[in-house]
Amino acid sequence: QSVLTQPPSVSAAPGQKVTISCSGSFSNIGKNYVSWYQQIPGTAPKLLIHDNNKRPSGIPDRFSGSKSGTSATLGITGLQTGDEADYYCGTWDSSLNPVWVFGGGTKLTVL
Amino acid sequence: QVTLKESGPTLVKPTETVTLTCSFSGFSLSTNTESVGWIRQPPGKALEWLALIYWDDDKRYSPSLKSRLIITKDTSKNQVVLTVTSMDPVDTATYYCAHFYGSGSFVDYWGQGILVTVSS
Repeated sequence: QSVLTQPPSVSAAPGQKVTISCSGSFSNIGKNYVSWYQQIPGTAPKLLIHDNNKRPSGIPDRFSGSKSGTSATLGITGLQTGDEADYYCGTWDSSLNPVWVFGGGTKLTVL
Repeated sequence: QVTLKESGPTLVKPTETVTLTCSFSGFSLSTNTESVGWIRQPPGKALEWLALIYWDDDKRYSPSLKSRLIITKDTSKNQVVLTVTSMDPVDTATYYCAHFYGSGSFVDYWGQGILVTVSS
């Protein structure tokens, strides 16, 4: 069971918008930056968002991130079939000795 | 350009110790703020962070696996090694090597991963 809670799955039609939530606690999301990763089946994860809402070079602005309190959200607009993948949030947990934690992952289906 | 590649055995027997090597380029682990970690993913399951080593040899381990993990670095060879003892079938997973940006803020580069199967 992951320290960060994500919905197991979300779905939407092409062109639509979807959001993926990541819920944690003060010791992780509440105190630290959140990053988001996209994993297309059979490939390594790829960084989508870092520092809550910053996109690395090459990531389209259809992808956005936000954080409020102990929750973070990934937003994807203008859905494309190529966006179908697993999405993970990640951050540090500073409760005892700092450890990195991932969410349980969310499978996005583009209908 | 940062690249990382994992190597090691792809099949190990239960109770054995596995040693995985991450060979990287594009940065030096002797440089301030650099860090490299290991993350694994059992088939069909979520990512699980295992360990992280910093440029100054500081180390972090997953609490649930700490007793079975050792992470080391060889700066001269640009390599990071993860040793996992007492392997069990539940340890079957793809093991990823990852570069963490800026003293471990987030993972900006991933290796391709290596599938390690634990079976007798």
